[in-house]
Amino acid sequence: DVKVTQSSRYLVKRTGEKVFLECVQDMDHENMFWYRQDPGLGLRLIYFSYDVKMKEKGDIPEGYSVSREKKERFSLILESASTNQTSMYLCVLMKRDSTEAFFGQGTRLTVV
Amino acid sequence: AQSVTQLGSHVSVSEGALVLLRCNYSSSVPPYLFWYVQYPNQGLQLLLKYTSAATLVKGINGFEAEFKKSETSFHLTKPSAHMSDAAEYFCAVLTGTASKLTFGTGTRLQVTL
Repeated sequence: DVKVTQSSRYLVKRTGEKVFLECVQDMDHENMFWYRQDPGLGLRLIYFSYDVKMKEKGDIPEGYSVSREKKERFSLILESASTNQTSMYLCVLMKRDSTEAFFGQGTRLTVV
Repeated sequence: AQSVTQLGSHVSVSEGALVLLRCNYSSSVPPYLFWYVQYPNQGLQLLLKYTSAATLVKGINGFEAEFKKSETSFHLTKPSAHMSDAAEYFCAVLTGTASKLTFGTGTRLQVTL
């Protein structure tokens, strides 16, 4: 079974804090994605990466950055957390040229 | 650019009635299309997918969807709703050029007695 592991299930942070959300895979899949899920808005793509050291902006990258130093790990960084970044964050994994997606369990982040 | 529109953020049906959840897509190249379901407090689960084989796709739990290129639609149907179908449903599109999933805003299905 493919495993996509997000470091935290629930997280509470203060406004202005720097926040790291980690996603680790145990397969040799190239494509990794960070989405946020909000009621009524569905899943929106923040950033994605097709390989080590590569990153691409998604639809809503403002206020976020990412890091992919190793193939198995894709980190989402909130440089200075704000209350409007309170959300469920999902890491998604796909093998290149495949249509199968694997989802992490999600991190529910609350910024107070 | 690819996009997905789901008409109706909430749909309510009676148990035993037909379920119809609408999805229209926009894509400049032939798409792959998906329906995912999310039960309360759970992750997304693949219901079915269209990958350019048969236009009528059968999925799990009695759901099916038909790819209609002329209408750019991929509506999800089930002949007879069950209480256990109550969940949120997401349509998504993937194109080879973009290699990323674009999701719709979701439709919450309520099933009443």
